[in-house]
Amino acid sequence: EVQLVESGGGLVQPGGSLRLSCAASGITFSSYWMTWVRQAPGKGLEWVANIMQDGSEKYYVDSVKGRFTISRDNSKNSLYLQMNSLRAEDTAVYYCASEVYYYYGIDVWGQGTTVTVSS
Amino acid sequence: EIVLTQSPGSLSVSPGERATLSCRTSQSVSSSHLAWYQQRPGQAPRLLIYDTFSRATGVPDRFSGSGSGTDFTLTITRLEPEDFAVYYCQQYGTSPPYTFGQGTKVEMK
Repeated sequence: EVQLVESGGGLVQPGGSLRLSCAASGITFSSYWMTWVRQAPGKGLEWVANIMQDGSEKYYVDSVKGRFTISRDNSKNSLYLQMNSLRAEDTAVYYCASEVYYYYGIDVWGQGTTVTVSS
Repeated sequence: EIVLTQSPGSLSVSPGERATLSCRTSQSVSSSHLAWYQQRPGQAPRLLIYDTFSRATGVPDRFSGSGSGTDFTLTITRLEPEDFAVYYCQQYGTSPPYTFGQGTKVEMK
């Protein structure tokens, strides 16, 4: 069974940092692009960042460029999101996700981890 | 960045009826790489449609996608109780970010 499990969420003060992790199982992790998607409370989905199979290409939505860094460790089947200079508007559920079976559609999602930025 | 605009924002439909959801993109989406998702309360999104027309594994055939260029549609025929949810479109253009629409909520009348 394909599974993505996020961890690392929590309460952080504005300006603080947090590192999210995503552990993958049931797939050949190193074969797939990986993505972070977030959802603010009561709001829609927002694509945040993705990373190529070998980590050589990374893309970000403008609102997080320069503050967030996506990375992966294929030896550990793990995806990460380092979040710095956090703002209240970064408060959201963060999903780890991937296009495993289809090139143009995210078909595997984690359960999400909640990040709350508040003083 | 390609902006996706979904309409209507919400839709009130009776079980057994048809729902038509629209997604318009600010630029033409290359090769019609557009996906649709369903999200029920408290759950992660679920892929319904990829590449504009193709149903993901296990998705009932009452869900269908159509469109091209900048105008795309998700149609749900014969709404079942489990279909009342929020639906999002997402584009896979030439390069990331692969943005989502703001969602359409399908509510029971």
